[in-house]
Amino acid sequence: SAVISQKPSRDICQRGTSLTIQCQVDSQVTMMFWYRQQPGQSLTLIATANQGSEATYESGFVIDKFPISRPNLTFSTLTVSNMSPEDSSIYLCSGAVGTGGNEQFFGPGTRLTVL
Amino acid sequence: GENVEQHPSTLSVQEGDSAVIKCTYSDSASNYFPWYKQELGKRPQLIIDIRSNVGEKKDQRIAVTLNKTAKHFSLHITETQPEDSAVYFCAASNGNQFYFGTGTSLTVIP
Repeated sequence: SAVISQKPSRDICQRGTSLTIQCQVDSQVTMMFWYRQQPGQSLTLIATANQGSEATYESGFVIDKFPISRPNLTFSTLTVSNMSPEDSSIYLCSGAVGTGGNEQFFGPGTRLTVL
Repeated sequence: GENVEQHPSTLSVQEGDSAVIKCTYSDSASNYFPWYKQELGKRPQLIIDIRSNVGEKKDQRIAVTLNKTAKHFSLHITETQPEDSAVYFCAASNGNQFYFGTGTSLTVIP
């Protein structure tokens, strides 16, 4: 298994600003992902963080709004840019180990509130 | 892309009864189907998973079944306990991305 930490755990931000969320894994993982989860809702995949190259974004998410970095196998960042109240959500990172990126483990999440 | 549907959205059972949650998927390339349990304010935790070369898997009170032909899989919890109360998510993966169902809020009534 993998132990995943995130920081900050929560933040309250002003409209128009940006926040960078950090995700650290205690061991090397095959893949890392970023999700968004609205309260009481399911997890929506934002993007796959690729080591040393541009992230792969899902439909509805773009690099200008959610730039992602993954400089090595155990660390990734997600930036929420030019925030609006609609960006208020929980953001979770995850790491997947094993063949084909299976056995996914989640970080504790970052609760973001945009005023 | 993949579309994962999950039913029911809410489920209440008496303690000791069984609970069944069902999911369907659309992408025949999906080959890995995990189930996650998420307690309020906590991260999702993997509870059981199944791969496409297996039809059924059991771990104590939890079992998962997979029907590849019909593209559906189910979670079965027997002898439910109050601590089983949580939101359960199914997911489907082709090895590159994971797509989650909409979740089932399970309440076990003591």
